[in-house]
Amino acid sequence: GAGVSQSPSNKVTEKGKDVELRCDPISGHTALYWYRQSLGQGLEFLIYFQGNSAPDKSGLPSDRFSAERTGGSVSTLTIQRTQQEDSAVYLCASTPSGATYEQYFGPGTRLTVT
Amino acid sequence: AQRVTQPEKLLSVFKGAPVELKCNYSYSGSPELFWYVQYSRQRLQLLLRHISRESIKGFTADLNKGETSFHLKKPFAQEEDSAMYYCALSGTSYGKLTFGQGTILTVHP
Repeated sequence: GAGVSQSPSNKVTEKGKDVELRCDPISGHTALYWYRQSLGQGLEFLIYFQGNSAPDKSGLPSDRFSAERTGGSVSTLTIQRTQQEDSAVYLCASTPSGATYEQYFGPGTRLTVT
Repeated sequence: AQRVTQPEKLLSVFKGAPVELKCNYSYSGSPELFWYVQYSRQRLQLLLRHISRESIKGFTADLNKGETSFHLKKPFAQEEDSAMYYCALSGTSYGKLTFGQGTILTVHP
């Protein structure tokens, strides 16, 4: 079946603008994660959703970042008032119930803030 | 706090040579350790996890709790092994991963 999909694949935005990044997890996967991949920083955990439980937002770097997951499926990561340091590849991953340790990653969204 | 350190950003070897990608971790409990790999223009994917004790694509990794290490090894590197490798740790029940900074492995012909 289809894997995790993310859109857009690339996004160039001006400093100060808001952006929305979308993630479609694998159907039936109950857990969804957002990570940020940047040079020199590796992969940083941002936020985690599991079913109807309150999300773990402990990795969000500032209050400019927020995410939601509607209907337990699609998730949107929103960055408000983007800054140049937000430039990175944003990765989404999902995991099936009962096998939370193998995360299936999407192709990522490359965000460039000019 | 949990932390994963991969001391080498770049590692180059020749085809057929042994390769070892280093990973050290810091965690107070009993962690789950993983290696993820990202080949050129492909998605990040799981390579192996320590509890499965498998050899995947000729790679093995042993968890050394005394040295808090989980180095990835392969006795004879192949060109197709060239990729970015991430070591990752999960200390929570739901699998939140803490990743290292990654090592770019280049295997020369």
